[in-house]
Amino acid sequence: SQTIHQWPATLVQPVGSPLSLECTVEGTSNPNLYWYRQAAGRGLQLLFYSVGIGQISSEVPQNLSASRPQDRQFILSSKKLLLSDSGFYLCAWRLDSLNTIYFGEGSWLTVV
Amino acid sequence: AQSVTQLGSHVSVSEGALVLLRCNYSSSVPPYLFWYVQYPNQGLQLLLKYTSAATLVKGINGFEAEFKKSETSFHLTKPSAHMSDAAEYFCAVTLGGFQKLVFGTGTRLLVSP
Repeated sequence: SQTIHQWPATLVQPVGSPLSLECTVEGTSNPNLYWYRQAAGRGLQLLFYSVGIGQISSEVPQNLSASRPQDRQFILSSKKLLLSDSGFYLCAWRLDSLNTIYFGEGSWLTVV
Repeated sequence: AQSVTQLGSHVSVSEGALVLLRCNYSSSVPPYLFWYVQYPNQGLQLLLKYTSAATLVKGINGFEAEFKKSETSFHLTKPSAHMSDAAEYFCAVTLGGFQKLVFGTGTRLLVSP
């Protein structure tokens, strides 16, 4: 069966520091991969999605970037964090043969 | 463009009472619709989905939802609330040929004894 792993689960970073959140999917190949952000009191906002290695689509202009160096690995990064980057980040995956998106457990980022 | 609206950011019910969480969608094409549940500090778990088959969809934990095209609605119901149902619930609709999901702003369900 397929599983998704996301880490770290919790992160406290100072303003201006770099960020790297990592997500891997096991038990499948060539998934679509997604990064969502959930800010306090708001819904889920799609940040990036990828349909293959090196293929990244950005949904909103922001201080973050994403990369997909391997088929089942999706990384969310920032060179310099802002206070507004704080939130709950969720990685997700989907197969073209399935009509459901499945989510990881999420990563809490607090920028101080 | 496809979107969903969830009416009520908070819904409070007593244990054993009917749960009704509202979701209305806007879509120019036949939509796929989903309900997810999020327990505190956790990711999202799929409750149920509508993918153009039966209009009444049954999900996990006793929840069900009915797709009503005439009302552009996909409300989530459960006949009898349990304390363990307290969580945040998100309605979502597909976008871009199912490349993406667009979520509502969520409804927090509070269950009192």
